[in-house]
Amino acid sequence: NAGVTQTPKFRVLKTGQSMTLLCAQDMNHEYMYWYRQDPGMGLRLIHYSVGEGTTAKGEVPDGYNVSRLKKQNFLLGLESAAPSQTSVYFCASTHPAGRGTDTQYFGPGTRLTVL
Amino acid sequence: GEDVEQSLFLSVREGDSSVINCTYTDSSSTYLYWYKQEPGAGLQLLTYIFSNMDMKQDQRLTVLLNKKDKHLSLRIADTQTGDSAIYFCAEIFSGGYNKLIFGAGTRLAVHP
Repeated sequence: NAGVTQTPKFRVLKTGQSMTLLCAQDMNHEYMYWYRQDPGMGLRLIHYSVGEGTTAKGEVPDGYNVSRLKKQNFLLGLESAAPSQTSVYFCASTHPAGRGTDTQYFGPGTRLTVL
Repeated sequence: GEDVEQSLFLSVREGDSSVINCTYTDSSSTYLYWYKQEPGAGLQLLTYIFSNMDMKQDQRLTVLLNKKDKHLSLRIADTQTGDSAIYFCAEIFSGGYNKLIFGAGTRLAVHP
């Protein structure tokens, strides 16, 4: 049972390049989330998904797209990277409300630098 | 709007108790959480408290919840150097889908 995994762990991009971050979970969770973490600002929600085939915008969605084609995977895409997207990205997953403690389980993070 | 606030830094001597404070705004949150982040790592759930509880104790950790003041605290007894990390307070957003609202994190430094 690996929990939540993220690939890659590190990436350096040039402005304008594109990339996809992959999140996978093996806990059969319905809900999945993408956050970004910036110094002094905690974690902010980018996009989330409440089930296979569904996605929704979070607090800071601009410049990102997501897809949830399979229940266990949640992809975060940057179509045209900008320096403002330099951050650490975390994926998380959980069961729907009412099933357990609603605890979110986090992946180890992806450190992205955009030059 | 929803907001969670924490002080940014705390420095304690090894063996002393640490108290990390947090205030939140959404009085309808069902759960409140404390997460720990060690350098270069992801977030690890430390403990949580259900909103109908005032206190929860788990080994060296004590969580106190004051719903009237919307104040949450985490006390770490006998603080060790391994407790040095960033501690995040989080509440569940009442708008649904278990979305979490995080504080900025408190960096705990433990010195000899």
